[in-house]
Amino acid sequence: AQSVTQPDIHITVSEGASLELRCNYSYGATPYLFWYVQSPGQGLQLLLKYFSGDTLVQGIKGFEAEFKRSQSSFNLRKPSVHWSDAAEYFCAVGAGSSASKIIFGSGTRLSIRP
Amino acid sequence: NAGVTQTPKFQVLKTGQSMTLQCAQDMNHNSMYWYRQDPGMGLRLIYYSASEGTTDKGEVPNGYNVSRLNKREFSLRLESAAPSQTSVYFCASSEMVGGPRETQYFGPGTRLLVL
Repeated sequence: AQSVTQPDIHITVSEGASLELRCNYSYGATPYLFWYVQSPGQGLQLLLKYFSGDTLVQGIKGFEAEFKRSQSSFNLRKPSVHWSDAAEYFCAVGAGSSASKIIFGSGTRLSIRP
Repeated sequence: NAGVTQTPKFQVLKTGQSMTLQCAQDMNHNSMYWYRQDPGMGLRLIYYSASEGTTDKGEVPNGYNVSRLNKREFSLRLESAAPSQTSVYFCASSEMVGGPRETQYFGPGTRLLVL
C-alpha cells in the first residue's frame, strides 16, 4: 500500500536562510507527488506537483522540489525563506486509478525566526 | 470567483446531535471531496464524488453520509455526532473526473467540536 512520511513535525529556520522539508513515499510504481501549504486558519493550497519528466519541479512562491526515485523522496526546498512562509506543509502521493488513492503526509510545521 | 466555500466556519455539538456541513464551488469542477484533519495525522478522505450523481467512500467514512446535491454543492452529514468526530473538516474540488493526478482546491475548513 502506498504511504507518505514527513519525518519532521516542526522546523524552525531563520528568515533568509535556506529550507528543505523532507518527504518520503512508498509505492511500487512512479507516483504522482504533490506539496501543499496551509496557512493558519486556511485551507490547503498547491505549491507544486510532479507527474513525470524533469525531476526538479518549480512551484509558486519560489519553492522547488526534487523527485529522487532511488531514495523514494520528494523534498521541498527554498533558497531563502520569508516570514510569510511560516505555515504547515503537506506532502501527498497519488497512485492507482482513483481519487481515493491520494494520501497526505502528517505535515511539517515551519516557523520562521526573525 | 469565491472558489470553494464552506459553512459553518465553527460549530459546537453535543453527543448524539446531527448536523450538515455545506460545501459549494464555483469553478465548474466535476469532483468534490470531504476530508478531516486531526493533529499529527494529516488529511484523511471521508467521502468523495467523482462526478455529479456519484459518491464513494474514502478512508474514514463511518459515521458520515454525503449528498452531491448538484454539480456545485456537496454536503457532509453527521447523523449522531460523537466526540471522536471532533476535527477540522475540509471540502475540496478538482476539475477532472476522479483520479490521482488532479490538483485539489480546498475550502477554508469547518472546525467542529463535539462535547
